[in-house]
Amino acid sequence: QVQLVESGGGLVEPGGSLRLSCAASGFSFSDYYMNWFRQAPGKGLEWVSYIGNRVINIHYADSVKGRFTISRDNVENSLYLQMNSLRPEDTAVYYCARGRYCSDISCYTGAEYFQYWGLGSLVTVSS
Amino acid sequence: DIVMTQSPLSLPVTPGEPASISCRSSQSLLHSNGDNSLHWYLQKPGQSPQLLIYLGYNRASGVPDRVSGSGSGTDFTLKFSRVEAEDVGVYYCMQTLQTPYSFGQGTKLEIK
Repeated sequence: QVQLVESGGGLVEPGGSLRLSCAASGFSFSDYYMNWFRQAPGKGLEWVSYIGNRVINIHYADSVKGRFTISRDNVENSLYLQMNSLRPEDTAVYYCARGRYCSDISCYTGAEYFQYWGLGSLVTVSS
Repeated sequence: DIVMTQSPLSLPVTPGEPASISCRSSQSLLHSNGDNSLHWYLQKPGQSPQLLIYLGYNRASGVPDRVSGSGSGTDFTLKFSRVEAEDVGVYYCMQTLQTPYSFGQGTKLEIK
């Protein structure tokens, strides 16, 4: 069965850095786009970033552009989010989610939707 | 950027009664392939979001048929033919027509 497990969260001071990981299993990781979302305490959901199956396609929310970097390792079946210059407003639970199917043979070109999510990893930015 | 607006934000419902949640987008969510790029998620307390409805009206695996999605373009609705206790949580609509992907504010459904 599909499993996504985030790790790497914790307490960090403003201006600091943190790297989140998302370990994927139960599916062919290299054939799917992957996304990061976040949810500040008591707030709604926010999309953060996505990365294509072969890394070529990467997008970020304006709120994190220039500070966060998404990456993946298709051998290790892992997704990453390097977070630099962290701010108190980055405090949130961060979720990874599986996106669209896109293999070397064919790609789903319709609107992306997210059937599988991890349990989340809490990042707290505070002095 | 596409802005998503949900109403109501709070929805107290008596078990067995019908209910609905509205979601409006600031621009049409019609994809070039004819699908609507609008999806509904439920987040139960302390849990990750779970997909309920995708592409406007398709039920995700395990979603009961008393839950349905409808609408097109900029106006969408999530309907419950009858609400049950297990439906408690926060419901979000989400658009994936273009980045940045965006969510509605969330509608908290509670049982009276």
